[in-house]
Amino acid sequence: GESVGLHLPTLSVQEGDNSIINCAYSNSASDYFIWYKQESGKGPQFIIDIRSNMDKRQGQRVTVLLNKTVKHLSLQIAATQPGDSAVYFCAENIPRKAAGNKLTFGGGTRVLVKP
Amino acid sequence: ETGVTQSPTHLIKTRGQQVTLRCSSQSGHNTVSWYQQALGQGPQFIFQYYREEENGRGNFPPRFSGLQFPNYSSELNVNALELDDSALYLCASRPNLGLAGEGSSYNEQFFGPGTRLTVL
Repeated sequence: GESVGLHLPTLSVQEGDNSIINCAYSNSASDYFIWYKQESGKGPQFIIDIRSNMDKRQGQRVTVLLNKTVKHLSLQIAATQPGDSAVYFCAENIPRKAAGNKLTFGGGTRVLVKP
Repeated sequence: ETGVTQSPTHLIKTRGQQVTLRCSSQSGHNTVSWYQQALGQGPQFIFQYYREEENGRGNFPPRFSGLQFPNYSSELNVNALELDDSALYLCASRPNLGLAGEGSSYNEQFFGPGTRLTVL
Protein backbone atom coordinates (compact mmCIF):
# COMPACT_ATOMS: atom_id res chain seq x y z
CA GLY A 1 0.00 0.00 0.00
CA GLU A 2 0.89 3.66 -0.17
CA SER A 3 3.41 4.83 2.41
CA VAL A 4 2.16 8.29 3.33
CA GLY A 5 4.51 9.38 6.05
CA LEU A 6 8.00 7.90 6.09
CA HIS A 7 9.57 10.61 8.20
CA LEU A 8 6.63 12.07 10.07
CA PRO A 9 6.51 12.63 13.82
CA THR A 10 4.87 9.61 15.39
CA LEU A 11 2.49 9.33 18.30
CA SER A 12 2.25 5.85 19.81
CA VAL A 13 -0.81 5.32 21.94
CA GLN A 14 -2.26 2.36 23.79
CA GLU A 15 -5.64 1.14 22.58
CA GLY A 16 -8.34 2.71 24.73
CA ASP A 17 -6.26 5.72 25.74
CA ASN A 18 -6.91 9.24 24.51
CA SER A 19 -4.76 10.74 21.76
CA ILE A 20 -3.85 14.38 21.33
CA ILE A 21 -2.39 15.59 18.04
CA ASN A 22 -1.07 19.12 17.81
CA CYS A 23 -0.68 21.50 14.91
CA ALA A 24 0.70 25.01 14.55
CA TYR A 25 -0.71 27.19 11.77
CA SER A 26 0.79 30.26 10.21
CA ASN A 27 -1.82 32.68 8.94
CA SER A 28 -3.94 34.74 11.33
CA ALA A 29 -6.38 35.44 8.47
CA SER A 30 -7.39 31.77 8.17
CA ASP A 31 -11.14 31.50 8.61
CA TYR A 32 -11.48 27.79 9.31
CA PHE A 33 -9.43 24.74 10.03
CA ILE A 34 -9.89 21.08 9.18
CA TRP A 35 -8.47 17.83 10.44
CA TYR A 36 -7.95 15.00 7.95
CA LYS A 37 -7.06 11.34 8.45
CA GLN A 38 -5.09 9.53 5.77
CA GLU A 39 -4.70 5.77 5.77
CA SER A 40 -2.15 3.98 3.67
CA GLY A 41 -3.21 3.81 0.03
CA LYS A 42 -6.08 6.25 0.44
CA GLY A 43 -6.77 9.92 0.05
CA PRO A 44 -7.31 12.19 3.08
CA GLN A 45 -10.64 11.72 4.86
CA PHE A 46 -12.41 14.65 6.52
CA ILE A 47 -12.72 14.28 10.29
CA ILE A 48 -13.90 17.60 11.69
CA ASP A 49 -13.62 21.30 11.06
CA ILE A 50 -13.80 24.44 13.17
CA ARG A 51 -14.38 28.07 12.26
CA SER A 52 -12.02 30.74 13.50
CA ASN A 53 -14.74 32.31 15.67
CA MET A 54 -14.93 29.13 17.77
CA ASP A 55 -12.45 27.66 20.23
CA LYS A 56 -13.87 24.16 20.59
CA ARG A 57 -15.96 21.75 18.57
CA GLN A 58 -16.89 18.18 19.30
CA GLY A 59 -17.71 15.30 17.03
CA GLN A 60 -18.04 11.59 17.52
CA ARG A 61 -15.05 10.63 19.72
CA VAL A 62 -13.13 13.67 18.47
CA THR A 63 -12.70 17.20 19.80
CA VAL A 64 -10.89 20.03 18.08
CA LEU A 65 -9.49 22.92 20.09
CA LEU A 66 -8.39 26.20 18.55
CA ASN A 67 -6.13 28.73 20.27
CA LYS A 68 -5.84 31.75 18.01
CA THR A 69 -3.56 33.60 20.41
CA VAL A 70 -0.73 31.18 19.76
CA LYS A 71 -2.00 29.88 16.40
CA HIS A 72 -2.38 26.36 17.70
CA LEU A 73 -4.85 23.63 16.83
CA SER A 74 -5.28 20.23 18.45
CA LEU A 75 -7.28 17.10 17.77
CA GLN A 76 -8.26 14.88 20.65
CA ILE A 77 -9.38 11.33 19.95
CA ALA A 78 -11.15 9.60 22.81
CA ALA A 79 -10.71 5.87 23.46
CA THR A 80 -8.32 5.39 20.56
CA GLN A 81 -8.99 2.27 18.50
CA PRO A 82 -6.77 0.27 16.12
CA GLY A 83 -8.72 1.73 13.21
CA ASP A 84 -7.50 5.18 14.23
CA SER A 85 -3.96 4.28 13.13
CA ALA A 86 -3.21 6.65 10.26
CA VAL A 87 -1.50 9.91 9.40
CA TYR A 88 -3.38 13.00 10.57
CA PHE A 89 -3.12 16.38 8.87
CA CYS A 90 -4.40 19.74 9.93
CA ALA A 91 -5.29 22.23 7.21
CA GLU A 92 -6.10 25.94 7.27
CA ASN A 93 -8.18 27.91 4.81
CA ILE A 94 -7.28 31.46 3.90
CA PRO A 95 -10.35 33.24 2.52
CA ARG A 96 -10.26 34.42 -1.06
CA LYS A 97 -12.64 36.60 -3.04
CA ALA A 98 -13.59 33.78 -5.40
CA ALA A 99 -15.65 30.86 -4.18
CA GLY A 100 -13.97 27.67 -3.12
CA ASN A 101 -11.47 26.22 -0.75
CA LYS A 102 -7.74 26.55 -0.97
CA LEU A 103 -6.36 24.57 1.90
CA THR A 104 -2.83 24.73 3.25
CA PHE A 105 -1.89 21.47 4.91
CA GLY A 106 0.50 20.93 7.78
CA GLY A 107 3.19 18.26 7.74
CA GLY A 108 1.19 15.50 9.40
CA THR A 109 1.49 13.23 12.43
CA ARG A 110 1.48 9.45 12.29
CA VAL A 111 -0.63 7.79 15.00
CA LEU A 112 0.18 4.18 15.87
CA VAL A 113 -2.28 2.39 18.12
CA LYS A 114 -0.80 -0.46 20.15
CA PRO A 115 -3.13 -3.32 21.10
CA GLU B 1 -15.51 5.44 -0.08
CA THR B 2 -16.00 9.08 -1.04
CA GLY B 3 -17.41 8.58 -4.52
CA VAL B 4 -14.46 10.44 -6.03
CA THR B 5 -12.51 8.27 -8.46
CA GLN B 6 -9.15 8.84 -10.08
CA SER B 7 -7.31 7.15 -12.92
CA PRO B 8 -4.85 5.70 -13.38
CA THR B 9 -3.85 4.48 -9.93
CA HIS B 10 -0.16 4.29 -10.80
CA LEU B 11 1.87 5.73 -13.64
CA ILE B 12 5.54 5.73 -14.61
CA LYS B 13 6.91 8.36 -16.97
CA THR B 14 10.32 9.66 -17.98
CA ARG B 15 11.66 13.19 -17.73
CA GLY B 16 10.35 15.51 -20.42
CA GLN B 17 7.20 13.52 -21.09
CA GLN B 18 3.65 14.75 -20.59
CA VAL B 19 0.98 13.18 -18.42
CA THR B 20 -2.79 13.48 -18.02
CA LEU B 21 -4.51 12.43 -14.82
CA ARG B 22 -8.27 12.11 -14.51
CA CYS B 23 -10.79 12.62 -11.77
CA SER B 24 -14.51 11.95 -11.53
CA SER B 25 -16.08 13.94 -8.75
CA GLN B 26 -18.91 12.83 -6.55
CA SER B 27 -22.33 13.36 -8.08
CA GLY B 28 -23.56 16.92 -7.60
CA HIS B 29 -20.14 18.36 -6.77
CA ASN B 30 -19.25 21.27 -9.01
CA THR B 31 -15.94 22.28 -7.41
CA VAL B 32 -12.82 20.21 -7.94
CA SER B 33 -9.36 20.83 -6.50
CA TRP B 34 -6.07 19.13 -7.29
CA TYR B 35 -3.25 18.57 -4.82
CA GLN B 36 0.28 17.21 -5.02
CA GLN B 37 1.49 15.11 -2.10
CA ALA B 38 5.18 14.28 -1.94
CA LEU B 39 6.20 11.32 0.17
CA GLY B 40 6.12 12.18 3.86
CA GLN B 41 4.46 15.55 3.38
CA GLY B 42 1.02 17.08 3.44
CA PRO B 43 -0.88 17.74 0.21
CA GLN B 44 -0.06 20.98 -1.61
CA PHE B 45 -2.77 22.87 -3.47
CA ILE B 46 -2.24 23.03 -7.24
CA PHE B 47 -5.46 24.62 -8.48
CA GLN B 48 -9.23 24.54 -8.26
CA TYR B 49 -11.99 24.49 -10.86
CA TYR B 50 -15.51 25.77 -10.35
CA ARG B 51 -18.08 25.46 -13.13
CA GLU B 52 -15.38 24.66 -15.70
CA GLU B 53 -13.18 27.65 -14.87
CA GLU B 54 -9.98 27.82 -12.84
CA ASN B 55 -10.70 29.98 -9.80
CA GLY B 56 -7.59 29.61 -7.71
CA ARG B 57 -4.03 28.44 -8.13
CA GLY B 58 -1.21 27.46 -5.82
CA ASN B 59 2.50 27.94 -6.30
CA PHE B 60 2.91 25.67 -9.33
CA PRO B 61 4.40 26.56 -12.74
CA PRO B 62 2.29 26.91 -15.90
CA ARG B 63 3.29 23.45 -17.11
CA PHE B 64 0.68 22.26 -14.60
CA SER B 65 -2.68 22.84 -16.25
CA GLY B 66 -6.17 21.52 -15.93
CA LEU B 67 -9.64 21.21 -17.32
CA GLN B 68 -13.09 20.70 -15.93
CA PHE B 69 -15.85 19.28 -18.11
CA PRO B 70 -19.61 19.98 -18.11
CA ASN B 71 -20.18 16.82 -16.05
CA TYR B 72 -17.70 18.29 -13.52
CA SER B 73 -15.07 15.61 -14.10
CA SER B 74 -11.58 17.02 -14.33
CA GLU B 75 -8.12 16.50 -15.76
CA LEU B 76 -4.69 17.52 -14.55
CA ASN B 77 -2.03 17.86 -17.24
CA VAL B 78 1.67 18.15 -16.53
CA ASN B 79 4.07 18.95 -19.34
CA ALA B 80 7.85 18.56 -19.46
CA LEU B 81 7.91 16.23 -16.47
CA GLU B 82 10.71 16.64 -13.93
CA LEU B 83 11.99 14.15 -11.38
CA ASP B 84 10.52 16.26 -8.57
CA ASP B 85 7.05 15.82 -10.04
CA SER B 86 7.06 12.29 -8.62
CA ALA B 87 4.27 12.34 -6.06
CA LEU B 88 0.73 11.29 -5.22
CA TYR B 89 -1.75 13.50 -7.04
CA LEU B 90 -5.04 13.93 -5.26
CA CYS B 91 -8.33 15.22 -6.54
CA ALA B 92 -10.96 16.55 -4.14
CA SER B 93 -14.52 17.64 -4.81
CA ARG B 94 -16.94 19.69 -2.76
CA PRO B 95 -20.72 19.81 -2.66
CA ASN B 96 -22.58 22.50 -4.55
CA LEU B 97 -23.04 25.66 -2.52
CA GLY B 98 -26.22 25.42 -0.51
CA LEU B 99 -26.77 21.75 -1.19
CA ALA B 100 -24.69 20.26 1.62
CA GLY B 101 -26.82 17.75 3.44
CA GLU B 102 -27.88 18.04 7.04
CA GLY B 103 -25.00 17.22 9.34
CA SER B 104 -22.34 17.74 6.68
CA SER B 105 -19.95 20.59 6.71
CA TYR B 106 -19.84 23.30 4.10
CA ASN B 107 -16.09 23.00 4.27
CA GLU B 108 -15.91 19.28 3.65
CA GLN B 109 -13.93 18.19 0.63
CA PHE B 110 -14.06 14.59 -0.54
CA PHE B 111 -10.73 13.22 -1.70
CA GLY B 112 -10.12 10.49 -4.22
CA PRO B 113 -7.53 7.76 -3.65
CA GLY B 114 -4.94 9.54 -5.76
CA THR B 115 -2.68 8.71 -8.67
CA ARG B 116 0.89 7.77 -7.83
CA LEU B 117 3.17 9.31 -10.50
CA THR B 118 6.79 8.23 -10.74
CA VAL B 119 9.11 10.18 -13.03
CA LEU B 120 12.35 8.41 -13.96
